[in-house]
Amino acid sequence: AQSVAQPEDQVNVAEGNPLTVKCTYSVSGNPYLFWYVQYPNRGLQFLLKYITGDNLVKGSYGFEAEFNKSQTSFHLKKPSALVSDSALYFCAVRDNAGNMLTFGGGTRLMVKP
Amino acid sequence: GAGVSQSPSNKVTEKGKDVELRCDPISGHTALYWYRQSLGQGLEFLIYFQGNSAPDKSGLPSDRFSAERTGGSVSTLTIQRTQQEDSAVYLCASSLDLAPLHFGNGTRLTVT
Repeated sequence: AQSVAQPEDQVNVAEGNPLTVKCTYSVSGNPYLFWYVQYPNRGLQFLLKYITGDNLVKGSYGFEAEFNKSQTSFHLKKPSALVSDSALYFCAVRDNAGNMLTFGGGTRLMVKP
Repeated sequence: GAGVSQSPSNKVTEKGKDVELRCDPISGHTALYWYRQSLGQGLEFLIYFQGNSAPDKSGLPSDRFSAERTGGSVSTLTIQRTQQEDSAVYLCASSLDLAPLHFGNGTRLTVT
């Protein structure tokens, strides 16, 4: 069965500093990987995805994620955090047979001025 | 209105009552998911519909929960004999094949 782990319940970053939100996965075959963000009292929004190709994927709002096959990781990164980035972030994986999308437990990002 | 629509947005019900939650996916999307989220926590998978295939019901927590998708479009999640632990936000999402999911704003269910 496929699974996703987000080892940090919360990440605290000062505004302007780089941020990393960690994600590791387990799946049969090649993974399809996603990051979603949930702002307070809002629905989940798609940020970026990895299907194939370059290991560094760029997405919305200046976020990027690096796919590392040997470490089965897909960490979310941003060079300079904004207070408005504070939200709940979810990593998700699907296998290439098109089975259902499995989400991690979420990481709360707090960016302080 | 091209997004995923869920109704009602809020539902308060008494313990033991049945509730129905509705999801209108984006037109043409073949995949439809139901998830449950408690108090801003993680997403708990409930059920997954993909085209005409049999749904993946492996996430349904008990036989009080059921879902159907009529005509490959609208889906209804039914919870019978609701319990207080059923209180959560129920999220619906749809996608076209392997594309990213589009989420609705959810139904906040409160069981008193």
